[in-house]
Amino acid sequence: QKEVEQDPGPLSVPEGAIVSLNCTYSNSAFQYFMWYRQYSRKGPELLMYTYSSGNKEDGRFTAQVDKSSKYISLFIRDSQPSDSATYLCAMSDSGGSYIPTFGRGTSLIVHP
Amino acid sequence: ETGVTQSPTHLIKTRGQQVTLRCSSQSGHNTVSWYQQALGQGPQFIFQYYREEENGRGNFPPRFSGLQFPNYSSELNVNALELDDSALYLCASSPYVGTGGTEAFFGQGTRLTVV
Repeated sequence: QKEVEQDPGPLSVPEGAIVSLNCTYSNSAFQYFMWYRQYSRKGPELLMYTYSSGNKEDGRFTAQVDKSSKYISLFIRDSQPSDSATYLCAMSDSGGSYIPTFGRGTSLIVHP
Repeated sequence: ETGVTQSPTHLIKTRGQQVTLRCSSQSGHNTVSWYQQALGQGPQFIFQYYREEENGRGNFPPRFSGLQFPNYSSELNVNALELDDSALYLCASSPYVGTGGTEAFFGQGTRLTVV
């Protein structure tokens, strides 16, 4: 079992839909939870991160962390075709190496 | 403020050869991490450099080596290339060590193909 599990998709939605992207993890030491967006042939770009549990909102994006279930989510409201990309979750601990462990990414396609 | 730049963008090498990939970190950043991203997979941590010293290494063999220079730019060297080394190699710079990926800025990557 991998430390971080993420469904690769693809996830195809119509423009304007609410998108839910999820990851599960097994390492209870993870404290930082990140979401990156990666467009084709580009490097990942950090969207947002949360520390420990709770929610965080940034514009159309909301990140949620449920440490009791070892489950994190990224919600995208009013999805746009420009949101079409691969979304990578990543996690790291705060008492060790701080090196993030990435999921394999979920491919999102938002069609007009 | 300049971003993270990597060179070259694409590279084709023959099995058994050696390759050097380069990364210029973002201005003001002293920590550089290298990742390997195989097709359809997430980035896998190779190693990190902080102030010219290796500061952590992932599960990669010794034929993967690196350097960081006084200006904080970095190189990744891979010896005795294997077909499985074909991947996108990503460099990420951070303003300081221990940010846990929360302050990592990635370059566009170098696409290495080993034939």
